[in-house]
Amino acid sequence: QKEVEQDPGPLSVPEGAIVSLNCTYSNSAFQYFMWYRQYSRKGPELLMYTYSSGNKEDGRFTAQVDKSSKYISLFIRDSQPSDSATYLCAMSDAGGTSYGKLTFGQGTILTVHP
Amino acid sequence: DGGITQSPKYLFRKEGQNVTLSCEQNLNHDAMYWYRQDPGQGLRLIYYSQIVNDFQKGDIAEGYSVSREKKESFPLTVTSAQKNPTAFYLCASSIDRGAGELFFGEGSRLTVL
Repeated sequence: QKEVEQDPGPLSVPEGAIVSLNCTYSNSAFQYFMWYRQYSRKGPELLMYTYSSGNKEDGRFTAQVDKSSKYISLFIRDSQPSDSATYLCAMSDAGGTSYGKLTFGQGTILTVHP
Repeated sequence: DGGITQSPKYLFRKEGQNVTLSCEQNLNHDAMYWYRQDPGQGLRLIYYSQIVNDFQKGDIAEGYSVSREKKESFPLTVTSAQKNPTAFYLCASSIDRGAGELFFGEGSRLTVL
């Protein structure tokens, strides 16, 4: 079993839809949770960063962390064609044996069509 | 503009040849990383370095080597011992070894013929 599981999709939605992306994990030591967005043939860029459990909102994007269920989500409201990309969840325990190394999910390919 | 520069962007090599991928950053970050990305597998850590002249193996270090002689530079050599080297390679840096944001380069796509 992988430490982080993410449904690879692909996910195709119409413009304006609400998108839900999810990851589950098995390592209870993870405390820092991130979502990266990666456009085709480019490097990933940080989209959202949360610590421990709770919600964080930034414009059309909301990140949720439920540590009790070991489950994180990214919601995209009013999705746009420019949101079409691969979304990667990543997490870290920021200490212990990992020294802040990130463990990534497999990535979900999202296409928003006009 | 500050950032991470990877070169070359595309590289073709014959089987059995070593190849070195360049990674340079001008962000003054202490920590640097090399990840490999394959379809459907996300990013897997090859090597990381928290400080100059020190580096550690990641999850898939076999067949790869690195050096960190300067803070700005962290080159990756893909050796002939790497059994499946065709992949997209990403270099990243972060301010320190904590859980801070990773800044990525644009990647190098290596194809072994």
